[in-house]
Amino acid sequence: AQKITQTQPGMFVQEKEAVTLDCTYDTSDQSYGLFWYKQPSSGEMIFLIYQGSYDEQNATEGRYSLNFQKARKSANLVISASQLGDSAMYFCAMRSDTGGFKTIFGAGTRLFVKA
Amino acid sequence: DVKVTQSSRYLVKRTGEKVFLECVQDMDHENMFWYRQDPGLGLRLIYFSYDVKMKEKGDIPEGYSVSREKKERFSLILESASTNQTSMYLCASSSPTSGSLEQYFGPGTRLTVT
Repeated sequence: AQKITQTQPGMFVQEKEAVTLDCTYDTSDQSYGLFWYKQPSSGEMIFLIYQGSYDEQNATEGRYSLNFQKARKSANLVISASQLGDSAMYFCAMRSDTGGFKTIFGAGTRLFVKA
Repeated sequence: DVKVTQSSRYLVKRTGEKVFLECVQDMDHENMFWYRQDPGLGLRLIYFSYDVKMKEKGDIPEGYSVSREKKERFSLILESASTNQTSMYLCASSSPTSGSLEQYFGPGTRLTVT
């Protein structure tokens, strides 16, 4: 069965510092995709970054990077130079490339950025 | 600008009522999804659809059904609402023409069953 595990219910980080949010996944698929989404207190879900299972380089999008370690089945999100606006829930997600692109999410990590 | 809309932001229903949650997307996306979001549990997939009239069960389909008669519309149906279905319901869509198939989400419907 497919599963996403986020072991950090809450994290604190000082403004301007970097933070890593953990995500491990379990799948028997050879082809899949991994995502991170941000959910601010306003409630909307915002797509941040994507990594395909065959991508050899780690994905980067501005201050976000995805530390993809395929053998360990981990896909950690690194946020550099944290800003107060980064305070939000962060969800890791995985898309299956078989059976209609089913996508599942982890339980989320709430990030608090301190001034 | 991409848009996913949901019929209601807040809904209050009584136990045993039949409840319809509607989701419409204007991006011509093939894939549509229904999730429920509960504190500490993240988003859990209820049903998804990858084409008109096609549906697949997610991880928690019990007590729910769906309908997709048109490409742009995906409806979630609670046949007989129960209090344990009180939750935030999120609809999303994605397209295989996007390399990543990232999902676009609606604003959510907060359903309370009393």
